Amino acid sequence: KNQVEQSPQSLIILEGKNCTLQCNYTVSPFSNLRWYKQDTGRGPVSLTIMTFSENTKSNGRYTATLDADTKQSSLHITASQLSDSASYICVVSGGSNYKLTFGKGTLLTVNP
Amino acid sequence: SQTIHQWPATLVQPVGSPLSLECTVEGTSNPNLYWYRQAAGRGLQLLFYSVGIGQISSEVPQNLSASRPQDRQFILSSKKLLLSDSGFYLCAWTSGRGETQYFGPGTRLLVL
Repeated sequence: KNQVEQSPQSLIILEGKNCTLQCNYTVSPFSNLRWYKQDTGRGPVSLTIMTFSENTKSNGRYTATLDADTKQSSLHITASQLSDSASYICVVSGGSNYKLTFGKGTLLTVNP
Repeated sequence: SQTIHQWPATLVQPVGSPLSLECTVEGTSNPNLYWYRQAAGRGLQLLFYSVGIGQISSEVPQNLSASRPQDRQFILSSKKLLLSDSGFYLCAWTSGRGETQYFGPGTRLLVL
């Protein structure tokens, strides 16, 4: 069964600190992996997308890594800001119909 | 540029009442369209997707239905709402299989 597991479930950090969110998946065959940011009460917004051959991809202070061998991905946030407070969702695309499997998300709270 | 709209933003409905949520996309043609539900503390659940006018695929059995009367319009309906239908409903579009999904602002539905 295709699954995407994210950890931690929630995380609280101080403004200016770095943090790393984890995503493990069992989706096969693998097509690509995306990280989304979802502000409370809003729709998710894409941060990064990585295919099998990509190990890392950055988007400003967000850096995503992918290890297709171990089926793990991480999202690293540098110098966190209050506006980074949101749910971060890992989404894996795979299978013949590119079906998406969603993780439950990590709720990040950045405190001043 | 492409824009996706959803309305209403918030809806409170009694059990047994009908439902109609609307999603429209601007700035693109022949998009793939999706309806998701996000329950509190849970990941996104794909409800329906459509690759063209009148073409609807259902992912889970439920008392909801979807229709696509026009190329860029996607409607989620129910004849009789259940308490368990409460949640955050998100519409999304892609230009093709495997592409990044762009989400609408969502509709928060509370069934009482």
